Amino acid sequence: AQSVAQPEDQVKVAEGNPLTVKCTYSVSGNPYLFWYVQYPNRGLQFLLKYITGDNLVKGSYGFEAEFNKSQTSFHLKKPSALVSDSALYFCAVSLSGSARQLTFGSGTQLTVLP
Amino acid sequence: NAGVTQTPKFQVLKTGQSMTLQCAQDMNHEYMSWYRQDPGMGLRLIHYSVGAGITDQGEVPNGYNVSRSTTEDFPLRLLSAAPSQTSVYFCATLGEQGSNYGYTFGSGTRLTVV
Repeated sequence: AQSVAQPEDQVKVAEGNPLTVKCTYSVSGNPYLFWYVQYPNRGLQFLLKYITGDNLVKGSYGFEAEFNKSQTSFHLKKPSALVSDSALYFCAVSLSGSARQLTFGSGTQLTVLP
Repeated sequence: NAGVTQTPKFQVLKTGQSMTLQCAQDMNHEYMSWYRQDPGMGLRLIHYSVGAGITDQGEVPNGYNVSRSTTEDFPLRLLSAAPSQTSVYFCATLGEQGSNYGYTFGSGTRLTVV
């Protein structure tokens, strides 16, 4: 069975500093990996995805993530955090061949301090 | 282009009552799904559909029914509401064509069962 873990419930960084939100996964085949962001009382917004190709994926709002197959990780990064990046972030995984039946992590609350 | 529309946005039910959460999409996506979001647990898949007339269970299907009579609509029914079904419910569709491959989420229905 596929699973995904976000080991940190909360991450706090100062504005202007780099940020990392961690994600590790477990699947039996080659994964499809996604990051989503959720602002208060809103639905989920797509940030980026890895399906195949380059291990470094660039997405919306200056975010990027690196697919590391040996460490089964897909950490979300941004070089310089903004206060407006404060939100709930979800990592999700699905088996290769389809993104159907996506499995989500428990979420990481990111707070960027002014 | 409305994307994914969920109604209602908020609902309070008494234990034992029934109700239907509506989900409609205008993107002609074959795959539709329902998730529930609970604090610290991420999003969990309730039911999904790969096309009109075809539905299947996800991770947490108990207490919920679905049907898919058209491509556009995928309602979620609570037959006898229980306090454990207090949650935020999201409908999502999966676009599987080209560079736009990925999910579109509705804005959610916040359900409270008292």
